[in-house]
Amino acid sequence: ETGVTQTPRHLVMGMTNKKSLKCEQHLGHNAMYWYKQSAKKPLELMFVYNFKEQTENNSVPSRFSPECPNSSHLFLHLHTLQPEDSALYLCASSQGIAGGNYEQYFGPGTRLTVT
Amino acid sequence: RKEVEQDPGPFNVPEGATVAFNCTYSNSASQSFFWYRQDCRKEPKLLMSVYSSGNEDGRFTAQLNRASQYISLLIRDSKLSDSATYLCVAAPPGTYKYIFGTGTRLKVLA
Repeated sequence: ETGVTQTPRHLVMGMTNKKSLKCEQHLGHNAMYWYKQSAKKPLELMFVYNFKEQTENNSVPSRFSPECPNSSHLFLHLHTLQPEDSALYLCASSQGIAGGNYEQYFGPGTRLTVT
Repeated sequence: RKEVEQDPGPFNVPEGATVAFNCTYSNSASQSFFWYRQDCRKEPKLLMSVYSSGNEDGRFTAQLNRASQYISLLIRDSKLSDSATYLCVAAPPGTYKYIFGTGTRLKVLA
């Protein structure tokens, strides 16, 4: 499936590095999301954008910086990360808001390891 | 209390068995519900939406019980390929937040 794509698929970075994750959706959706998934924990919502405007910031540390240049692209800029930030980072999109019974579709994720 | 709670399992069932999972949600105003399937080290994939009247897709049936605030997933004639973690999702109205449970792990044994 190529509805939501993410690059890179795997990333190893040191705590002083700066890197960016990229997400692109080809579904014509209006909302895009970043989630973090750590072992044995539920998906944690990080950011939500609707029509390029950020609508949710779930108390995410400033070392994570999102960017949404248009409704199809979403970036997550990373800098001075900590080892506990190692996780699977998932991008998702939906046509509309969650409470409107709009289904959410996920990209394959970026598996991030911070050394 | 967690917003969405699931029994983590694992549920170990033989091929051909019927298995059911329940998921409870704490926000009585939640309006949208979904089941996702997640394979090891992969992304969640939408299995089905859960409507008030319930819905069925092949061997899978989902039900919503608003009075008791739970949704269920029934899998009939289990296949080895059904082995995965099943995630329950609830969405309160008027928000962009999809609230995920921690998932229920299913192992179908030959």
